[in-house]
Amino acid sequence: GNSVTQMEGPVTLSEEAFLTINCTYTATGYPSLFWYVQYPGEGLQLLLKATKADDKGSNKGFEATYRKETTSFHLEKGSVQVSDSAVYFCARAGAGNMLTFGGGTRLMVKP
Amino acid sequence: NAGVTQTPKFQVLKTGQSMTLQCAQDMNHEYMSWYRQDPGMGLRLIHYSVGAGITDQGEVPNGYNVSRSTTEDFPLRLLSAAPSQTSVYFCASSYSTDRGIGYTFGSGTRLTVV
Repeated sequence: GNSVTQMEGPVTLSEEAFLTINCTYTATGYPSLFWYVQYPGEGLQLLLKATKADDKGSNKGFEATYRKETTSFHLEKGSVQVSDSAVYFCARAGAGNMLTFGGGTRLMVKP
Repeated sequence: NAGVTQTPKFQVLKTGQSMTLQCAQDMNHEYMSWYRQDPGMGLRLIHYSVGAGITDQGEVPNGYNVSRSTTEDFPLRLLSAAPSQTSVYFCASSYSTDRGIGYTFGSGTRLTVV
């Protein structure tokens, strides 16, 4: 079946450090891929998405490129801020518009 | 435009009680789904619907029922609450077109079963 695997956290970084959160997915066709962010006590917010191979999704300084050859959709940001501290979820769409989520990665950014 | 509205936001149930979590969307989205979020496990799909009158099971459907009598509403029923159903529940609606897929999530219902 469909699955999404992302690196376990927590990831702890200093402000202005470079961020990578790895995400890989099972390759059944060409699913749309997503990154969601969840701030403490809140719901899910769409961070970015990509719908086909080599697409690059970007938002608020975050980027992720749809890599068909490695079935990956790694999240990157060049310079993190304290306000980026949150839990990040990678997800893929499947039949019936079902979303399959990774387990989430908690990011903590220290001043 | 309200998006996806979930009620209640918080609920405490006793073991064995039943209740319905409400979910309503006003975007005329065809697809709706329910997820539960447990610590360290991400979100898991409970049930989903591809249109009014059509529902199907997701990854963790046991102990839950759904129905989709209208496009707008997709209630989730807990038949006999158990402590293992303590979780945060999210409802989502979505669309799918030639230009892509989009999802809107509700703000969640935090359920505690004692």
